[in-house]
Amino acid sequence: SAVISQKPSRDICQRGTSLTIQCQVDSQVTMMFWYRQQPGQSLTLIATANQGSEATYESGFVIDKFPISRPNLTFSTLTVSNMSPEDSSIYLCSVVGQASQETQYFGPGTRLLVL
Amino acid sequence: QKEVEQDPGPLSVPEGAIVSLNCTYSNSAFQYFMWYRQYSRKGPELLMYTYSSGNKEDGRFTAQVDKSSKYISLFIRDSQPSDSATYLCASFSGGYNKLIFGAGTRLAVHP
Repeated sequence: SAVISQKPSRDICQRGTSLTIQCQVDSQVTMMFWYRQQPGQSLTLIATANQGSEATYESGFVIDKFPISRPNLTFSTLTVSNMSPEDSSIYLCSVVGQASQETQYFGPGTRLLVL
Repeated sequence: QKEVEQDPGPLSVPEGAIVSLNCTYSNSAFQYFMWYRQYSRKGPELLMYTYSSGNKEDGRFTAQVDKSSKYISLFIRDSQPSDSATYLCASFSGGYNKLIFGAGTRLAVHP
């Protein structure tokens, strides 16, 4: 499976500010995703990060709030913009396995607290 | 109705017990079924995945899918304190690879 790292691992931010989360994979992958896991809840897909084109967002998530970049096949960023306390969550990136297209592997997550 | 339903627990068992974790799903198009384990303050770790109906065994873990009843199970034999974690079931129909997750069941195995 791919080794996925995320930066920062955690952060405490003030409302109205923005935070950019980085996701780095140790091998080239075709598909990368960004998820949100709110406290005590399951994972919700935010968007698919497409290399060389705009991200594909799920219902309820918009580019102005969660801009995503995917400059190459090993790296992606998610920005949480104009944050409010409701954005306090764990943000996770995931990739589809190279050996098996049916499996997804997750990074360690970024814990975000917005005050 | 959520596409994947899972009892959030918590579930507390003594060490050595057999644990049964269950999910139901509503989308008949789902073909792939996953179980992830998530330790506190960590990302989800893929435990097992199965395609269509049937059983799959890996050490102390057995995943079972019954498509006729839309029921997904994970059995843990000889449970250990190190198995204490949240277990998430997930399903999808393939292709686009959009995983739909259950709420997760928090398991505590006490010595």
